[in-house]
Amino acid sequence: DIGMTQTPLSLSVTPGQPASISCKSNQSLLHSDGRTYLYWHQHKAGQPPQLLIYEVSKRLSGVPVRFSGSGSGTDFTLKISRVEADDAAVYYCMQSIEHPWTFGQGTKVEVK
Amino acid sequence: EVQLADSGGGLTQPGGSLRLSCAASGFDVGTTYMSWIRKAPGKGLEWVSVIYGGGSTYYAQSVWGRFTIFRDTSQNILHLQMNNLRVEDTAVYYCARGKGYAWGQGIQVTVTP
Repeated sequence: DIGMTQTPLSLSVTPGQPASISCKSNQSLLHSDGRTYLYWHQHKAGQPPQLLIYEVSKRLSGVPVRFSGSGSGTDFTLKISRVEADDAAVYYCMQSIEHPWTFGQGTKVEVK
Repeated sequence: EVQLADSGGGLTQPGGSLRLSCAASGFDVGTTYMSWIRKAPGKGLEWVSVIYGGGSTYYAQSVWGRFTIFRDTSQNILHLQMNNLRVEDTAVYYCARGKGYAWGQGIQVTVTP
């Protein structure tokens, strides 16, 4: 199974400040079709998860532009340019280049 | 509008069975891939299973041989048949379109002696 490691596991951010979450996989997520199968999900308590970013850096329709994804191969980053109160949640990276799909441990973002 | 409405779940004892259902609207479950993902108490998200448009299926090792994903294309419903349930299967189960392009609201499954 592909291991996904997120850092940090928790983050406390002042509104208006940036936040960054790292995700590393133990093998490349670049497929022979040229796509990189790395996704970012946001999960708020009591709600279903929400996909924010697919294939490293593509924002799903309706996702605020303050969320951005970057990276390649085995190293990826989710950035929130200016954190808002509504961004309090747990964020997960996920790979789907092979089965089983695997998630990072999750990063809990607290907004002060 | 794409919507997923899941149902089923509940409380059962170890060794019991439950069936989860996920009714889709706005798209055809038979022409795209659908997955189940769960969130156990105190743990992170865990992928459970996927069924592709062509019908191929894959499972997490932890549920292989006990869970079956299938779909009823006539009613546009995705199912997860869960047999021989274990305490560690206790979780909120979510159906999702693909890798999370849409989600059901979540179904509580509790397995307790």
